Amino acid sequence: AQSVTQLGSHVSVSEGALVLLRCNYSSSVPPYLFWYVQYPNQGLQLLLKYTTGATLVKGINGFEAEFKKSETSFHLTKPSAHMSDAAEYFCAVSGNAGGTSYGKLTFGQGTILTVHP
Amino acid sequence: DVKVTQSSRYLVKRTGEKVFLECVQDMDHENMFWYRQDPGLGLRLIYFSYDVKMKEKGDIPEGYSVSREKKERFSLILESASTNQTSMYLCASRVQGARGKLFFGSGTQLSVL
Repeated sequence: AQSVTQLGSHVSVSEGALVLLRCNYSSSVPPYLFWYVQYPNQGLQLLLKYTTGATLVKGINGFEAEFKKSETSFHLTKPSAHMSDAAEYFCAVSGNAGGTSYGKLTFGQGTILTVHP
Repeated sequence: DVKVTQSSRYLVKRTGEKVFLECVQDMDHENMFWYRQDPGLGLRLIYFSYDVKMKEKGDIPEGYSVSREKKERFSLILESASTNQTSMYLCASRVQGARGKLFFGSGTQLSVL
């Protein structure tokens, strides 16, 4: 079984401030981890993903995330927020081994990011 | 670019009707998914399909069924629509394998009255 918990349904930051969106996962097998973003009135698109190798992964638009196995976390960060970052962000997990979780992608509840001028 | 097309952007149906939501992708992807998106609940997986004629239940399959007769098309069927199935429905596809990224359609907002 697998699950994702995003801490904080709404996060508000000032333009130029650090963005930190929290994601914790549960998986019975080694995970693949993803962050997707949904801009207003647009479809979801992939921001970044962790599969294997380096635990710090970089994505589009200056975002990055670090896989921490000991903490079962995959938090998303950006050093300096921009107004255009306002969107809803979803963390997702997929099992990378056999079994019923393989291939099934489970999403978290989403975090709405608001950026103030 | 990969294109995932959902047949309707908005749909209004009555309680008890049988509803078909269609999804077509043009990149020969093996895997296809149906999610519903509700505020505060994120995306919840209804069904997914590894390949033609193959399907797996997701987390909330009750009240839904699916059909995948051709590789490019994945249909979601609401056997008898109910008001609690009012939601945004998202279709997605990807190449075979769990590490690939999902390509999403623009969604169908279904209202059941």
